[in-house]
Amino acid sequence: NAGVMQNPRHLVRRRGQEARLRCSPMKGHSHVYWYRQLPEEGLKFMVYLQKENIIDESGMPKERFSAEFPKEGPSILRIQQVVRGDSAAYFCASSTTGTGTRGYTFGSGTRLTVV
Amino acid sequence: AQTVTQSQPEMSVQEAETVTLSCTYDTSENNYYLFWYKQPPSRQMILVIRQEAYKQQNATENRFSVNFQKAAKSFSLKISDSQLGDTAMYFCAFMKPGSQGNLIFGKGTKLSVKP
Repeated sequence: NAGVMQNPRHLVRRRGQEARLRCSPMKGHSHVYWYRQLPEEGLKFMVYLQKENIIDESGMPKERFSAEFPKEGPSILRIQQVVRGDSAAYFCASSTTGTGTRGYTFGSGTRLTVV
Repeated sequence: AQTVTQSQPEMSVQEAETVTLSCTYDTSENNYYLFWYKQPPSRQMILVIRQEAYKQQNATENRFSVNFQKAAKSFSLKISDSQLGDTAMYFCAFMKPGSQGNLIFGKGTKLSVKP
């Protein structure tokens, strides 16, 4: 049973380009969460999605960031017109329920570097 | 708003010895969940242990145990018989029920296990 799969593992983008980060949850998991880890910081919640629905996006920056979890395929975190401050590790987690009280299964993250 | 504080940015321990990592949190909630996650150099976030606030008994998982002091809002992690593979960043995290699975992380403690 494969864990949470994230790709790419590393992504380099020039300022102004778009970044697309993918997350395939564990089999049987229909709840996906995205977190961002800035250097020397803990993870910070960005968005929580179920299939075809955004449930909570209170941690998402208002501009340039969007997320989706379509009926088929992986969840996508999209960052438009990237800036240097977007450089971070982006983690995806999944769970079978929306409460997360048993702890999530995290992927290995995508490290985004904006040059 | 809830906050999680890890006051030890770095710690080291000799192999086979015991080490305790500190975590304090601030909340007005009576029921909540606490977690310790390990992040080795591979960057994978691995759930080490979880504690439910309404349970008096401290959680244990093999060599890992917690000292949960609810009144003091303290949640320390004890690692016994430290192994080289325990070298990692350790993050304490808080979650309140009904928060849509939003985990609040501390900034982490970098643990080095020395041979």
